[in-house]
Amino acid sequence: EVQLVESGGGLVKPGGSLRLSCAASGFALSSYAMNWVRQAPGKGLEWVSSISSSGSYIYYTDSVKGRFTISRDSAKNSLFLQMNSLRAEDTALYYCARDPYGDRASDYWGQGTLVTVSS
Amino acid sequence: SYELTQPPSVSVSPGQTARITCSGDALTNQYAYWYQQKPGQAPILVIYKDSERPSGIPERFSGSSSGTTVTLTISGVQAEDEADYYCQSADTSGVYPVVFGGGTKLTVL
Repeated sequence: EVQLVESGGGLVKPGGSLRLSCAASGFALSSYAMNWVRQAPGKGLEWVSSISSSGSYIYYTDSVKGRFTISRDSAKNSLFLQMNSLRAEDTALYYCARDPYGDRASDYWGQGTLVTVSS
Repeated sequence: SYELTQPPSVSVSPGQTARITCSGDALTNQYAYWYQQKPGQAPILVIYKDSERPSGIPERFSGSSSGTTVTLTISGVQAEDEADYYCQSADTSGVYPVVFGGGTKLTVL
């Protein structure tokens, strides 16, 4: 059974940093592209970042470029999102999701981890 | 533009057919995906690559594409189908933005 479990969210002050993790089970993360998607409270879905199965191709939405870094650790079967210089508008539930299509769409999603940026 | 436009809400009675549209210039050369999200839950993929249905998704869910518009059709709507539905454009080239529609709240009357 495919499972994705996010962790690392929490309350952080503007300008602070957080590192989100996503532990995968039921499949080899190294064989798939992976996505981070977020959802602000009461709002819609927003694609944030993607990494190819090889790790060679990485993409970010414009609003997080230069602040967020996506990475993966095949040995730990885990995906990460390092978030620096956080802003209030980054407050959201962050989902990791598997991309079997290589086009930044997702078939399986985790339950999300909540990031709140507030002073 | 790379925006996807969905109607904010659609209402149907049980057993009727619900159609949810998603429009945007990007859809002329990019696949669309549809997700169902119920309150407090993660999204679930219900249609991929415009019209393909993942295993485990009921046959009453179908997708179609024409020009700049894709449509999610739910035939014989059931009460359990009440949810938010989001379309998403996809991109393999890495050149184009990947965007979600604003979401459509499906209400089963």
